[in-house]
Amino acid sequence: DVQMTQSPSYLAASPGESVSISCKASKSINTYLAWYQEKPGKTNKLLIYSGSTLQSGTPSRFSGSGSGTDFTLTIRSLEPEDFAVYYCQQHNEYPLTFGSGTKLEIK
Amino acid sequence: EVQLVESGGGLVQPGRSLKLSCAASGFTFSNYYMAWVRQAPKKGLEWVATISTSGSRTYYPDSVKGRFTISRDNAKSSLYLQMNSLKSEDTATYYCARHSNWELGYWGQGVMVTVSS
Repeated sequence: DVQMTQSPSYLAASPGESVSISCKASKSINTYLAWYQEKPGKTNKLLIYSGSTLQSGTPSRFSGSGSGTDFTLTIRSLEPEDFAVYYCQQHNEYPLTFGSGTKLEIK
Repeated sequence: EVQLVESGGGLVQPGRSLKLSCAASGFTFSNYYMAWVRQAPKKGLEWVATISTSGSRTYYPDSVKGRFTISRDNAKSSLYLQMNSLKSEDTATYYCARHSNWELGYWGQGVMVTVSS
């Protein structure tokens, strides 16, 4: 199984700042990585897939990069609604596996 | 608007069975692979099962293989998860999700399953 190591597990930032979240796969997953946002009272939201492709409706301040084993989610100029938990997930092979999550909180 | 609404959760004793349902609307259900994903209390996400459009192909992680069965009824736009031989470690919120390709484009709100005596 592909192990996904996500870091940091916790991140505090202020609105307007930029942040990056890392996700590392235990073996190459090509570019088949997705990022999700989890917020209380809302359904989980797919933000990015195939490493860097923005899902329809994802604001352009979100970007994804990487290939092989190393991936990054970057959020530029944080908005109040961006404070949430973020998960990466490899969609290269079964079993599908997720990272452990990053909680982004307001500083 | 895509909607996925799970039902069937609750408290169940270890070793017993439970069947979850997911009612889908807002899209042509039969055109999409579907999945179940779970989240144990204060833990991360774990993929549980995926089913092909016709139901002919199913996929499971080792943690549930042989105990859980995913199925679908395209005429009813419904997805199911039959869970047998439940263990305490199966306690989680279970989410129904629609695949785009292999990523999960839409999720339901989830249904809680508690396995305890």
